[in-house]
Amino acid sequence: AQSVTQLGSHVSVSEGALVLLRCNYSSSVPPYLFWYVQYPNQGLQLLLKYTTGATLVKGINGFEAEFKKSETSFHLTKPSAHMSDAAEYFCAVSGNTGKLIFGQGTTLQVKP
Amino acid sequence: SQTIHQWPATLVQPVGSPLSLECTVEGTSNPNLYWYRQAAGRGLQLLFYSVGIGQISSEVPQNLSASRPQDRQFILSSKKLLLSDSGFYLCAWAGTGFQETQYFGPGTRLLVL
Repeated sequence: AQSVTQLGSHVSVSEGALVLLRCNYSSSVPPYLFWYVQYPNQGLQLLLKYTTGATLVKGINGFEAEFKKSETSFHLTKPSAHMSDAAEYFCAVSGNTGKLIFGQGTTLQVKP
Repeated sequence: SQTIHQWPATLVQPVGSPLSLECTVEGTSNPNLYWYRQAAGRGLQLLFYSVGIGQISSEVPQNLSASRPQDRQFILSSKKLLLSDSGFYLCAWAGTGFQETQYFGPGTRLLVL
């Protein structure tokens, strides 16, 4: 069975500050891990994904995430927050079924 | 390039009325297709997925059904809507490999009154 836990349903940062959104997963098979972003009343857009290989994954809009197997984590970071980063972020895990299991989401607020 | 469409964008329906939401994909063939529901303040719940025409797997027993009459068309239906069916419905497509990314449509906002 697979599951995803996103720590913190709401995260608030100042513009220019570091963004850190936490994601821990549980998987009985090697996981494929994803981060998606959702702007209000829109669908989900892929930020980045990890399948195999390099554990530090770079995505769009300056985001990156590091796969840490020992910690079962896949935290999302961005060095400097921008107002346009305000959105909801979802971490998801997929195993060998092609189905995605999503976390509950983290709303990122960016303060000027 | 591939694109995914959903319609309608917004729908307000009375309790007990029928429902039909449509999702179509362009630019790919034999995709895996998915229906999700996102209730207010909650994550995404997988409702149905399909690996081919006429092949539907249900994840959650409920008031809804899905059909795939054509390779790139996925329909979500209900005979009688409940208040609890309100939410944001998202369709997604992916390739047929296990590590394939799911790409999401713009969604349909359904309000049942």
